[in-house]
Amino acid sequence: GQQLNQSPQSMFIQEGEDVSMNCTSSSIFNTWLWYKQEPGEGPVLLIALYKAGELTSNGRLTAQFGITRKDSFLNISASIPSDVGIYFCAGPQTGGFKTIFGAGTRLFVKA
Amino acid sequence: NAGVTQTPKFQVLKTGQSMTLQCAQDMNHNSMYWYRQDPGMGLRLIYYSASEGTTDKGEVPNGYNVSRLNKREFSLRLESAAPSQTSVYFCASAGGRPNYGYTFGSGTRLTVV
Repeated sequence: GQQLNQSPQSMFIQEGEDVSMNCTSSSIFNTWLWYKQEPGEGPVLLIALYKAGELTSNGRLTAQFGITRKDSFLNISASIPSDVGIYFCAGPQTGGFKTIFGAGTRLFVKA
Repeated sequence: NAGVTQTPKFQVLKTGQSMTLQCAQDMNHNSMYWYRQDPGMGLRLIYYSASEGTTDKGEVPNGYNVSRLNKREFSLRLESAAPSQTSVYFCASAGGRPNYGYTFGSGTRLTVV
């Protein structure tokens, strides 16, 4: 079945650093979603991407829909302690009701 | 606040016991989902309901049953809990197809001993 591979699995960074993480698949997706999960909570949608090559920002977060439609990237600029959490990429199945989630990138930010 | 409400937040069961996890949403969403989250494995779909009156299996349905009681409520039942079902369970909903993302509840942390 379809799988999403996220990397890195975890990141330990200093406050103020920029962060990059990515998500790849052997299958094509027509939509890419990025979620953030804070400790003890459910995931919250950060950014949705609908077009190959699309670059979308949400504050200090920027995500890109890869032109092959098999990958997506999330960047966080000038990280702050509240950026701590798990970041998931996700791809809804075309025409269906299921969404595939990556295993997540766990971000730790040291003040 | 509008959103997805899950109960209970925490539960400890003994092997073989049964329980039902409750989920309700007040956003008039059509589709609802149950996921489990295990360390290093992301979110795995257990069951989903595309609309009121329908339910379908996801990736890991064995050992679970679901009921879409009405448009608002979607429950998950463990008939005979096993230690392998120790996990965090999330309910989610979406207005239609999930292209615009889900709204998740805050989770139920279940331990089976």
